Amino acid sequence: AQTVTQSQPEMSVQEAETVTLSCTYDTSESDYYLFWYKQPPSRQMILVIRQEAYKQQNATENRFSVNFQKAAKSFSLKISDSQLGDAAMYFCAYTPIETSGSRLTFGEGTQLTVNP
Amino acid sequence: EPEVTQTPSHQVTQMGQEVILRCVPISNHLYFYWYRQILGQKVEFLVSFYNNEISEKSEIFDDQFSVERPDGSNFTLKIRSTKLEDSAMYFCASTLGTANSPLHFGNGTRLTVT
Repeated sequence: AQTVTQSQPEMSVQEAETVTLSCTYDTSESDYYLFWYKQPPSRQMILVIRQEAYKQQNATENRFSVNFQKAAKSFSLKISDSQLGDAAMYFCAYTPIETSGSRLTFGEGTQLTVNP
Repeated sequence: EPEVTQTPSHQVTQMGQEVILRCVPISNHLYFYWYRQILGQKVEFLVSFYNNEISEKSEIFDDQFSVERPDGSNFTLKIRSTKLEDSAMYFCASTLGTANSPLHFGNGTRLTVT
């Protein structure tokens, strides 16, 4: 069974600084997708970034980038130039590619606080 | 940009009552999902639906739960006899299902069982 683990229940960062959120996962699949979702206090689920396991290049979206280490099954999220609006719960998630529409498995979440 | 719409945003019901949560997925999407998030916990998969039938369900999705796509646009989750532990945020999601199609979530329905 696939599992996703986020070992940091809470993290904090100063505004304009950089923070890295950790995620590890366990799977026997070779092809899969990994995601980071942001959940602000409104509790909406917002896709931040996505990584295909078959791509060696780390995904980036503006101030958000990932460090994908396939052999180590690690998928961390780096937020650069942190802004107050980045404060939220962040969830790492996994889905296998083998069938279309496969379900997401989520980690426990990391609550990020951004200090002014 | 098209979005997944969920109604109501907040539902309060008494224990033992039936409740129906409603969702309108993005119109050309083919796969539909319900997820649940108990306050302070992780988001958990409940059920996936494709081609008018359940394609996968979790152990949470017992006989008290059912899903339906009654009219080609709405996607509903019914809980027949609610329990206190059903109190949670329920998210509907949809995707086209192709390799590059991400999952789109609705804003959720907060269900409170008293």
